[in-house]
Amino acid sequence: DAGVTQSPTHLIKTRGQQVTLRCSPKSGHDTVSWYQQALGQGPQFIFQYYEEEERQRGNFPDRFSGHQFPNYSSELNVNALLLGDSALYLCASRDGQFNSPLHFGNGTRLTVT
Amino acid sequence: QKEVEQDPGPLSVPEGAIVSLNCTYSNSAFQYFMWYRQYSRKGPELLMYTYSSGNKEDGRFTAQVDKSSKYISLFIRDSQPSDSATYLCAMLEYGNKLVFGAGTILRVKS
Repeated sequence: DAGVTQSPTHLIKTRGQQVTLRCSPKSGHDTVSWYQQALGQGPQFIFQYYEEEERQRGNFPDRFSGHQFPNYSSELNVNALLLGDSALYLCASRDGQFNSPLHFGNGTRLTVT
Repeated sequence: QKEVEQDPGPLSVPEGAIVSLNCTYSNSAFQYFMWYRQYSRKGPELLMYTYSSGNKEDGRFTAQVDKSSKYISLFIRDSQPSDSATYLCAMLEYGNKLVFGAGTILRVKS
């Protein structure tokens, strides 16, 4: 049973560029969340998608946007990249049961130069 | 003040030792408490998930929650070199917005 899978594993971009990260949730999971983890810090919540809509959002600017597809997979898009966007981007999924725990993928390491 | 405080360590212990990891929090609305383990270049892996105050045991791991003191702990018995990782506490009020501590780096020496 595949867990949460993310692609690509590593990415290098230049300031001002745009990036798209992809996530496939664990089998049986329909809710996807994205987190940003800076080096030496805990993950910070970006947003959550359920039924193809953004349901909850953390304290991130509009440059961060997302999408969920009918097969529950998701994309995270970041526009106008800044050096400070360099981080590990984690996707997490869970099933529809009330407050079931989140399961994380191994992340995409984004470096902005 | 951060919502969740966690000592970053590193914490270095000999193999076989009992390890105690702790977090404090300020938001009394947190209802669910989790511990994740994160190896280098990997995503967080769920270890323990608790709701109420008290203890929950799973193998060598025991999670403890004291809501009155806003304090949670994770104990690891008979620690092994394979336990060397970063341990993240996380808390949830509702939905999917987990609030994490900064993580404690644990090193178990053989």
